[in-house]
Amino acid sequence: AQSVTQLDSQVPVFEEAPVELRCNYSSSVSVYLFWYVQYPNQGLQLLLKYLSGSTLVESINGFEAEFNKSQTSFHLRKPSVHISDTAEYFCAVTRTSGTYKYIFGTGTRLKVLA
Amino acid sequence: EAQVTQNPRYLITVTGKKLTVTCSQNMNHEYMSWYRQDPGLGLRQIYYSMNVEVTDKGDVPEGYKVSRKEKRNFPLILESPSPNQTSLYFCASSLGTRSVLSSPLHFGNGTRLTVT
Repeated sequence: AQSVTQLDSQVPVFEEAPVELRCNYSSSVSVYLFWYVQYPNQGLQLLLKYLSGSTLVESINGFEAEFNKSQTSFHLRKPSVHISDTAEYFCAVTRTSGTYKYIFGTGTRLKVLA
Repeated sequence: EAQVTQNPRYLITVTGKKLTVTCSQNMNHEYMSWYRQDPGLGLRQIYYSMNVEVTDKGDVPEGYKVSRKEKRNFPLILESPSPNQTSLYFCASSLGTRSVLSSPLHFGNGTRLTVT
């Protein structure tokens, strides 16, 4: 079975500072990896995804994540955060075949301070 | 506008009173799913549907029912709600069966349910 661990429940960071949100997964089979963002009072939105190919994936708003198979990690990073990045971030995993289930982590609440 | 619409946004009810949360998508997606979000537990899948009349249990299906009679609608039914079903519920949809695992989920804005 797959599982996802987000070790940090909350991450406070000052505006324009870099941030890393950690995600580790466990799976005995190949997986697809996703980061979703949830702004207050909204549903989740896809931020970026890793399916195959280049291990570094980027979003349109400056976030990036790197798939590290040996460390089973998919950490999310941004070199300079903005107040508007304040949100909850969820890492998710699915198998590349078989059961049609998405497994989500418990979420990391990013709070950007002025 | 492409969207997943859930209703109601907020619902307060009493133990044992049957309720239905509706979910509709206008993207012709084959895959639809329900999740509940609880503090410290993230999102947990309740049920999912691969297509009309095809549904399957997720990780926390107890106390819930679903139906998929039309492609666009996927209602969540609580026949006898209990306080431990107080939660934030999300409906989501995704493109299609062959590509469902690599297609992103599109989420509704959520339904906050309180059962007293």
